[in-house]
Amino acid sequence: DTAVSQTPKYLVTQMGNDKSIKCEQNLGHDTMYWYKQDSKKFLKIMFSYNNKELIINETVPNRFSPKSPDKAHLNLHINSLELGDSAVYFCASSHTGTGDSNQPQHFGDGTRLSIL
Amino acid sequence: DQQVKQNSPSLSVQEGRISILNCDYTNSMFDYFLWYKKYPAEGPTFLISISSIKDKNEDGRFTVFLNKSAKHLSLHIVPSQPGDSAVYFCAANPISGYALNFGKGTSLLVTP
Repeated sequence: DTAVSQTPKYLVTQMGNDKSIKCEQNLGHDTMYWYKQDSKKFLKIMFSYNNKELIINETVPNRFSPKSPDKAHLNLHINSLELGDSAVYFCASSHTGTGDSNQPQHFGDGTRLSIL
Repeated sequence: DQQVKQNSPSLSVQEGRISILNCDYTNSMFDYFLWYKKYPAEGPTFLISISSIKDKNEDGRFTVFLNKSAKHLSLHIVPSQPGDSAVYFCAANPISGYALNFGKGTSLLVTP
């Protein structure tokens, strides 16, 4: 019973293609995220959705479009893939809260995207 | 600009001894601090957290210390076990913010 699951785990494709990565959480969380881990292993936020609404959209090319059909799902669609998009993409989820009620984010196992 | 820094890329400790992993941050608005553990080909796993109103939080062998004036936190693992060998990420969350700011990680190796 995986809490945050991403598919596919590995994705190898050619430059210029369009691809999607799916994410689902069964924790009942109200916020979901996409992070990118680059070649230097640095994890950086891309998007955050709270109750299906976009909260954070960091400086990410508009070729990347997140879609949240419901609170349990946050998919990532990438158009016109480029070599620099090669990275590991992690989905995460959490309850929202601040201060003492703040809650940790729970991560999926990542999708390793390789652009040829 | 990186707001969370882990200046030691790697650390090697003998089994049974204490592992101390350090983390510094620059943003005084950070309110919530977390440590994650990551094995290869897996996602980060939440380990322990601390809010800015506390200076210590303990969970079994893991203790996190927060020094707000120095903008520094540390993770103590005692006693260290070979299964603790992994990459440890420090992360912080701004007040009322949602995204986590991560450090670059410290690779811990616990040798028998």
